[in-house]
Amino acid sequence: QSALTQPRSVSGSPGQSVTISCTGTSSAYNYVSWYQQHPGEAPKLIIYNVNKRPSGVPDRFSGSNSGNTASLTISGLQAEDEADYYCCSYSGSLAFGGGTKLTVL
Amino acid sequence: QVQLVESGGGVVQPGKSLRLSCAASGFTFRSFHMHWVRQAPGKGLEWVAIIWYDGVNKYYADSVKGRFTISRDNSKNTLYLQMDSLGAEDTAVYYCARNDYGDYWGQGTLVTVSS
Repeated sequence: QSALTQPRSVSGSPGQSVTISCTGTSSAYNYVSWYQQHPGEAPKLIIYNVNKRPSGVPDRFSGSNSGNTASLTISGLQAEDEADYYCCSYSGSLAFGGGTKLTVL
Repeated sequence: QVQLVESGGGVVQPGKSLRLSCAASGFTFRSFHMHWVRQAPGKGLEWVAIIWYDGVNKYYADSVKGRFTISRDNSKNTLYLQMDSLGAEDTAVYYCARNDYGDYWGQGTLVTVSS
């Protein structure tokens, strides 16, 4: 699977919305997922199949895919959203993006 | 609830071997594909290997092919990763993850390859 490209960092103020892009998903069909990772913790699935949220994940998190780019949008930013975010395409193996550090200002 | 608990990490000399385990509970282990994913210190996530639910099909990242072996014992609800010919580049936290898209992850076990 081809490499996925994410911005290294994004930032936003509490209450704002931020979008993290993930380029290189054209061959992934609907098999795109997103993970949140806080320092020292394991990754946590927050989006799968492009736009599905696992139980317990707030609806402030949403995903989309258009052409060659998938996106994760976090609305109503909260301090606890500050973390690293990874996109992933899955079709047998897992191909991860390089990760994006979200800073809540 | 779903639980994945990795063990077996530690400090190992270059060229040596190590076997990691991932004990699963809270779900029907034999029904799910399982992955190993690693994360070098300060780096991103890197997929290592997948084993299908029945243990028949296994696939590896090029970086570990021929050195690592993924296996499972569905009677013991346990996933394994046999790591041979270890090098410094294998130093990482190793996670097991459930399902095609990694819906649940363990807490990880640290492997340090150093002389």
